[in-house]
Amino acid sequence: QQKVQQSPESLIVPEGGMASLNCTFSDRNSQYFWWYRQHSGEGPKALMSIFSNGDKKEGRFTAHLNKASLHVSLHIKDSQPSDSALYFCAVRASGSWQLIFGSGTQLTVMP
Amino acid sequence: GPKVLQIPSHQIIDMGQMVTLNCDPVSNHLYFYWYKQILGQQMEFLVNFYNGKVMEKSKLFKDQFSVERPDGSYFTLKIQPTALEDSAVYFCASSFPGQGPYEQYFGPGTRLTVL
Repeated sequence: QQKVQQSPESLIVPEGGMASLNCTFSDRNSQYFWWYRQHSGEGPKALMSIFSNGDKKEGRFTAHLNKASLHVSLHIKDSQPSDSALYFCAVRASGSWQLIFGSGTQLTVMP
Repeated sequence: GPKVLQIPSHQIIDMGQMVTLNCDPVSNHLYFYWYKQILGQQMEFLVNFYNGKVMEKSKLFKDQFSVERPDGSYFTLKIQPTALEDSAVYFCASSFPGQGPYEQYFGPGTRLTVL
């Protein structure tokens, strides 16, 4: 059974700072990786996806994937108070429909 | 963006009763999912449904659980009978191959409390 672990559990960064979120997974057959963001009282919403090794940049957000080291990360540059939310890493293995979620990182951006 | 709706937002029932959770998926989506999240824990996959059939289910999808989507109406999760450990937030999701790919869009969740 795939294990997906996130660190840190919580993170506080100042406005304008860099937030770095980490995720490790256990199944080498994992193919698709998403970062989801969830605001209180809402469902998770996909922030970005990454499927190939290396970096993927979308605006202030950069995801990095290293399948060999079973690691995916999300970096948020110039963090804003509106980025404060619960962030989940989600992994999907080839041949499976289910997303395996990590336990989440609670990000707080202080004005 | 595309929205998934869930009805009701909260449901409180007595143990042993039946409950139906309703999901209105994104209109052109073909794949439907239920996930369960117990407070403070990870979101966990329950079931995936396509073309009238369960495609994949987890160990959490007990015999008391069933899903259906009759004639393009709501996608439903029925629990009969309910147990105390069924108390959780249930999230519905939907996806359409080719968007994302397979990006799953989630609803806001239904909080189920079993007394």
